Amino acid sequence: ETGVTQTPRHLVMGMTNKKSLKCEQHLGHNAMYWYKQSAKKPLELMFVYNFKEQTENNSVPSRFSPECPNSSHLFLHLHTLQPEDSALYLCASSHPSGANNEQFFGPGTRLTVL
Amino acid sequence: GQNIDQPTEMTATEGAIVQINCTYQTSGFNGLFWYQQHAGEAPTFLSYNVLDGLEEKGRFSSFLSRSKGYSYLLLKELQMKDSASYLCAVREFAGGYQKVTFGTGTKLQVIP
Repeated sequence: ETGVTQTPRHLVMGMTNKKSLKCEQHLGHNAMYWYKQSAKKPLELMFVYNFKEQTENNSVPSRFSPECPNSSHLFLHLHTLQPEDSALYLCASSHPSGANNEQFFGPGTRLTVL
Repeated sequence: GQNIDQPTEMTATEGAIVQINCTYQTSGFNGLFWYQQHAGEAPTFLSYNVLDGLEEKGRFSSFLSRSKGYSYLLLKELQMKDSASYLCAVREFAGGYQKVTFGTGTKLQVIP
C-alpha cells in the first residue's frame, strides 16, 4: 500500500465507449501525475497537476481528458480510444517541491481497447 | 529534452553483486531516482541522488556523477525477490516545476 489507489484495476472497452479512470491519494501531496506504460517502452508522462492546476500535457491525444477536482483526486476520461491505447495507466503523487519529491505510484489500471 | 539509457536486461546469481548503469543527457538536471518495479506491480522508490557520490541504503547503493551524466544502482547479496525491473528517472526543472523522465528500465533476473 503506497497511499495511492486507482480504480478500476482492469478495464476492457470498445473504441466507441466512454469510461473514466480514478485515482485518489491519502498522502497530503499536491502534485499528481498520469503515466502510460506500454510493453518494452519507458513510462510515458501524460499529465501533471500541481495544486489542481495542469502544468504539463505531453502532446497527449484529445481522446484522453484529465480532471483534477481537488488535490486528492485525479481522473482520466477516455473516449473513442484506439487499440494502441491498450496499456497500464499509472497514477502517482508527490510533493511538488523539495529536495526529494519521490513519486508514490498507485497499482495502475490495465486497459484493453478492443 | 532528456535521453536516458540503461541496459534492457541483466542476469545475476543469487548472493552475488550486480551493477545497473544509467546514462542521461539533460539541460537542467536536478536529481536522479531509482525505482523498482515487480511484474504487474507499480514502481516503488529505491533511492535518490542529487550530489556526486554514493548513497547507501542497506543492500542497495546508488552512485551519481553529474559531470559524466552517469549513475549506477548496486545491489548486493542478491535475493530471488530482487528479480524485477529497475527504472532510472531523471528530474529537471521545467516551467517552475519539477519534471521527471523515466528510462525504459532494466529487467533483472536473479537465478539460483
